[in-house]
Amino acid sequence: GQNIDQPTEMTATEGAIVQINCTYQTSGFNGLFWYQQHAGEAPTFLSYNVLDGLEEKGRFSSFLSRSKGYSYLLLKELQMKDSASYLCAVRAGGSYIPTFGRGTSLIVHP
Amino acid sequence: DTAVSQTPKYLVTQMGNDKSIKCEQNLGHDTMYWYKQDSKKFLKIMFSYNNKELIINETVPNRFSPKSPDKAHLNLHINSLELGDSAVYFCASSQDGTANYGYTFGSGTRLTVV
Repeated sequence: GQNIDQPTEMTATEGAIVQINCTYQTSGFNGLFWYQQHAGEAPTFLSYNVLDGLEEKGRFSSFLSRSKGYSYLLLKELQMKDSASYLCAVRAGGSYIPTFGRGTSLIVHP
Repeated sequence: DTAVSQTPKYLVTQMGNDKSIKCEQNLGHDTMYWYKQDSKKFLKIMFSYNNKELIINETVPNRFSPKSPDKAHLNLHINSLELGDSAVYFCASSQDGTANYGYTFGSGTRLTVV
């Protein structure tokens, strides 16, 4: 099986930068996803990393280190609307179906 | 609007009843899924269909039966509902079976069994 670990909750200030970490233990790693889920809504796809390095997409960036089993999601210029749960999902073992972590609830305050 | 739409949004029913949740996508995607999100917020795969064919059937009780009449539709029928079935059920689709561009999720169906 897979073990995915992310902090349960984080708080940050509007306009600041926040980094949400995700560590995983798996064999046959085959990709890592980040999703954003607002309360009571569907998850929405943010990023996909399969190679080491940083992928930047507007205010959001995602980093992957396969040797360390580690990823982070970096959110810049935080806005109140960024308050949401951020789900890390790891794909491994020849399956195309990722396993989701329990998510990190991010609270952005003024 | 291009989207994944599922109905109903809320479903409250008694133990032992049978219910269905419908899902349709107009994105032209080949692959559709059913996920269950429990009270602890874990999203767990239930079924995956590629072009109407069942690809993945996780360890889900056989009271749950998916049906895909065509690649744009994936419905979920649940027999003899139990209290533990209470959860949010998400339908999703992806361009193909690799899902490298991520899933597009429906808005979810909150099922409450009383």
